[in-house]
Amino acid sequence: EAGVAQSPRYKIIEKRQSVAFWCNPISGHATLYWYQQILGQGPKLLIQFQNNGVVDDSQLPKDRFSAERLKGVDSTLKIQPAKLEDSAVYLCASSPGRVGEQYFGPGTRLTVT
Amino acid sequence: KNEVEQSPQNLTAQEGEFITINCSYSVGISALHWLQQHPGGGIVSLFMLSSGKKKHGRLIATINIQEKHSSLHITASHPRDSAVYICAVSNFGSQGNLIFGKGTKLSVKP
Repeated sequence: EAGVAQSPRYKIIEKRQSVAFWCNPISGHATLYWYQQILGQGPKLLIQFQNNGVVDDSQLPKDRFSAERLKGVDSTLKIQPAKLEDSAVYLCASSPGRVGEQYFGPGTRLTVT
Repeated sequence: KNEVEQSPQNLTAQEGEFITINCSYSVGISALHWLQQHPGGGIVSLFMLSSGKKKHGRLIATINIQEKHSSLHITASHPRDSAVYICAVSNFGSQGNLIFGKGTKLSVKP
């Protein structure tokens, strides 16, 4: 069974530029999560999808971050414009249902200069 | 105060030692997760438990719901166990998303 795929693995951009991350969850997993992990901290949920609907986006900075999961499968997370404090690892995870074990992708390490 | 607290933050052990990492939480939970994160970022789920004890190889996880406390034990530690170990909880009433601790960085020396 293929795991959660993410791309790119690394990205370096200047502040005020835009960036997009892609995630393909495990086949058949209805729930998809995007997390932000700042160095030295645990991951923080940005947004949770159930199929193609948003379940929780309360911690998503909506003035600059957006995410979509149009067909209920893969998802993109966008930052526009980026700030220095957005430098972090962005993790995508999926699970078969709304609760239960989550399966994580390798993450995308973003550096904003 | 964070909702999920781990101790210690950093731990150095000699190969073969018995290791314990602790996690305390302050919210009602439906489940507690122990995760392992290696350098490079990838996270692997080790355990999900809501009561009692689970064992997988040299890893043992326990939880005391009344005391809101969980421990992760590693027996006969090995340098390949070196990683960050993260405790996370599924909050009652949440939609399944996790609240994470800051992690415990373990280094096992040969």
